[in-house]
Amino acid sequence: GDSVTQMEGPVTLSEEAFLTINCTYTATGYPSLFWYVQYPGEGLQLLLKATKADDKGSNKGFEATYRKETTSFHLEKGSVQVSDSAVYFCALSDLGNAGNMLTFGGGTRLMVKP
Amino acid sequence: KAGVTQTPRYLIKTRGQQVTLSCSPISGHRSVSWYQQTPGQGLQFLFEYFSETQRNKGNFPGRFSGRQFSNSRSEMNVSTLELGDSALYLCASSLLPGPTDTQYFGPGTRLTVL
Repeated sequence: GDSVTQMEGPVTLSEEAFLTINCTYTATGYPSLFWYVQYPGEGLQLLLKATKADDKGSNKGFEATYRKETTSFHLEKGSVQVSDSAVYFCALSDLGNAGNMLTFGGGTRLMVKP
Repeated sequence: KAGVTQTPRYLIKTRGQQVTLSCSPISGHRSVSWYQQTPGQGLQFLFEYFSETQRNKGNFPGRFSGRQFSNSRSEMNVSTLELGDSALYLCASSLLPGPTDTQYFGPGTRLTVL
């Protein structure tokens, strides 16, 4: 079956540091890939997505490139802010499934210190 | 445009009771999915509805059920509650049920079973 593996947290960084959160996946079909962010006490917000190989998703300074050869979708940001502190989830939706069921990774908590 | 709304936001029930959670999708969205989030199991897919039909169901017991109405609003029901059902229940809506369609999440209903 499909699965998503992300690096375990928490990840603790100082403000303006470079961020990488690793995400790899296993899928039987041709997945679309997503990064969602969850702030304390809230639901999930879509951060970015990519629907085919070599696509780059970007939003609010975050980027991730769909790498089919390494089955990866790592999240990066050049300079993090305290307000980026949250839990980040990598997810996939597989064309092989009917509908748009999302399979999530375990989440990575990011803590940014001033 | 209003986002996905979920009611109630918080619920406390006792074992053996049943509960109904409600979700109103973004206007115009016709696909609704439900997810359970727990610290131990992470985010798990419950079911997905489109045009009042269940298209996908996750690996949950029959105590978990749902439905979708003609206006795309959805409800999920959990009967004979168990302690392990304590979780954040998230609803997500998308325009259509395709794997490339972005799902937008509501704030969730936090269910506590005592």
